[in-house]
Amino acid sequence: SQTIHQWPATLVQPVGSPLSLECTVEGTSNPNLYWYRQAAGRGLQLLFYSVGIGQISSEVPQNLSASRPQDRQFILSSKKLLLSDSGFYLCAWSVGFGYTEAFFGQGTRLTVV
Amino acid sequence: GENVEQHPSTLSVQEGDSAVIKCTYSDSASNYFPWYKQELGKGPQLIIDIRSNVGEKKDQRIAVTLNKTAKHFSLHITETQPEDSAVYFCAASTPAGRRALTFGSGTRLQVQP
Repeated sequence: SQTIHQWPATLVQPVGSPLSLECTVEGTSNPNLYWYRQAAGRGLQLLFYSVGIGQISSEVPQNLSASRPQDRQFILSSKKLLLSDSGFYLCAWSVGFGYTEAFFGQGTRLTVV
Repeated sequence: GENVEQHPSTLSVQEGDSAVIKCTYSDSASNYFPWYKQELGKGPQLIIDIRSNVGEKKDQRIAVTLNKTAKHFSLHITETQPEDSAVYFCAASTPAGRRALTFGSGTRLQVQP
């Protein structure tokens, strides 16, 4: 069966520090991968999606970047965190577009102080 | 691009009553409409979905209806239980264009025992 791992679960980082969140998927090949951000009490905002290794699409101009160095690995990064980067970050995967379920990881609670 | 609006933002019901959450979407090409349940501190989990070739789908106490003409879909939970308390998100997906789910802003459901 397929599983998705996301870590760390919680993270407190000072303003201006770098960020690296990692997500891996097991049990499937060539998944579509996504990073979403959820601000407190709000919906899920799509940040990045990837259809294959090295292929990244950005949805919102921001202080973050994403990379996909391996088929089932998706990394969210920042060189210098801002206070506004605080939130709940969710990684997800799906087998296709337009008609398929997305499976979410357990999320990373990031607090920038 | 697709825009999904969800109402209400909060909903409080007595145990055993029914709960209804409504969503509207803007892109008539959208063809897949999942509903997710998110418990505190966790990633969203799919609870039911519907495709554009179907008007209604039911799974035990949960049902979803879709009106393609009006571009709206609804989640119905009957005989609510305290464990139904969570945040619920609707989403829509199109087969082309933005290649990811677009989520509503969420509904916090509280079932009072």
